[in-house]
Amino acid sequence: DIQLTQSPSFLSASVGDRVTITCRASQDISSYLAWYQQKPGNAPKLLIYAASTLQSGVPSRFSGSGSGTEFTLTISSLQPEDFATYYCHQLSSYWLTFGGGTRVEIK
Amino acid sequence: QVQLVESGGGVVQPGRSLRLSCEASGFTLSHYAMHWVRQAPGKGLEWVAVTMYDGRNENYADSVKGRFTISRDNSKNTLYLQVDSLRTDDTAVYYCARPLGKRGFDVWGQGTLVTVSS
Repeated sequence: DIQLTQSPSFLSASVGDRVTITCRASQDISSYLAWYQQKPGNAPKLLIYAASTLQSGVPSRFSGSGSGTEFTLTISSLQPEDFATYYCHQLSSYWLTFGGGTRVEIK
Repeated sequence: QVQLVESGGGVVQPGRSLRLSCEASGFTLSHYAMHWVRQAPGKGLEWVAVTMYDGRNENYADSVKGRFTISRDNSKNTLYLQVDSLRTDDTAVYYCARPLGKRGFDVWGQGTLVTVSS
């Protein structure tokens, strides 16, 4: 199975901060990577697909980049509603996997 | 609107079975492969299983292979997950999800909680 390693697993940030989350794949997954946001008690919400394409309706302060084995999710200016847990997800292989998650909390 | 609604969760003893359902509305289920994903309390997301458009092909995570069976009834616009030989580490919220091709899951249900406890 393809392993996804997210870092950091936890970060504390302030409103207005620029935040970057990294996701590393154990093998080349091309651009078959998605990012989700999940708030407590809710299902995940798709933010980014194909590594860098913003899902419809998602604010432009979210962006994704990378290909192959290293990917990043960036929030350019953190807003109060962005405090949540973020997951990366690879769809390259027939056995899908998720990263362990990054919890973003208010400093 | 496009929606997925899961049902069938509950409290069950180890070794017992449940059948989870996921009813789709607002789109034609037969046009999509469909997935189940689970999340243990306080933990991350774990992909569980996929069924292809016509239900003829499926695949499973190693952790559930041989115990869980994914199926679908496209005439009822409904996806199923038969969960057998349940273990305490199967305790989780189970979500059904619709893929956007190989680009991610763009529609998720609200989840159904399965608690395995004696």
